[in-house]
Amino acid sequence: GAVVSQHPSWVICKSGTSVKIECRSLDFQATTMFWYRQFPKQSLMLMATSNEGSKATYEQGVEKDKFLINHASLTLSTLTVTSAHPEDSSFYICSASSGGREGISEETQYFGPGTRLLVL
Amino acid sequence: SQQGEEDPQALSIQEGENATMNCSYKTSINNLQWYRQNSGRGLVHLILIRSNEREKHSGRLRVTLDTSKKSSSLLITASRAADTASYFCATERGTYKYIFGTGTRLKVLA
Repeated sequence: GAVVSQHPSWVICKSGTSVKIECRSLDFQATTMFWYRQFPKQSLMLMATSNEGSKATYEQGVEKDKFLINHASLTLSTLTVTSAHPEDSSFYICSASSGGREGISEETQYFGPGTRLLVL
Repeated sequence: SQQGEEDPQALSIQEGENATMNCSYKTSINNLQWYRQNSGRGLVHLILIRSNEREKHSGRLRVTLDTSKKSSSLLITASRAADTASYFCATERGTYKYIFGTGTRLKVLA
């Protein structure tokens, strides 16, 4: 149980285009989803926290107009990188928390496999 | 800084040896978690230790927590080549919100 998927797993796009990444909790309802960014051989940097039906909370230094987050349902959150540029190339990972429901530990985050974005 | 510190940054050992990784953090915590990340993949939850616990075991993993020193350690006993991965500690920064340490890259040589 507690599986999280991400789609696509990798994407290559031209500079100036927008890219949407989906994060789905497959077998539980995620009250909260998190989006992280990871550069090679570095740690995960939290970008934003999204709760179903409300606006995302962005970490300091993360442009909310650049990285649009929509948490439309309890099983789906999307991250859209708008007008992508080469410096946006990175590994984007989402995670989901059940908030203690469905017998799943409220404190454990379940991670998706990540999406590798390359902007040319 | 958003992150905690982990050391060593990289560790290379022979199969069968024990591997110890350390994590230090800056503020008070309710719990601390350890995760593993295989290259280019998502993270897998390993173990959670609460602030009122000092030690916890799970299979070949042993985690300790010293809240007075604001530090934790992860011990992997009898390491295997499959343990090769990056290991991160994560501390809570709000409701279900965690900040990850800098990570330790472990390489287990067969």
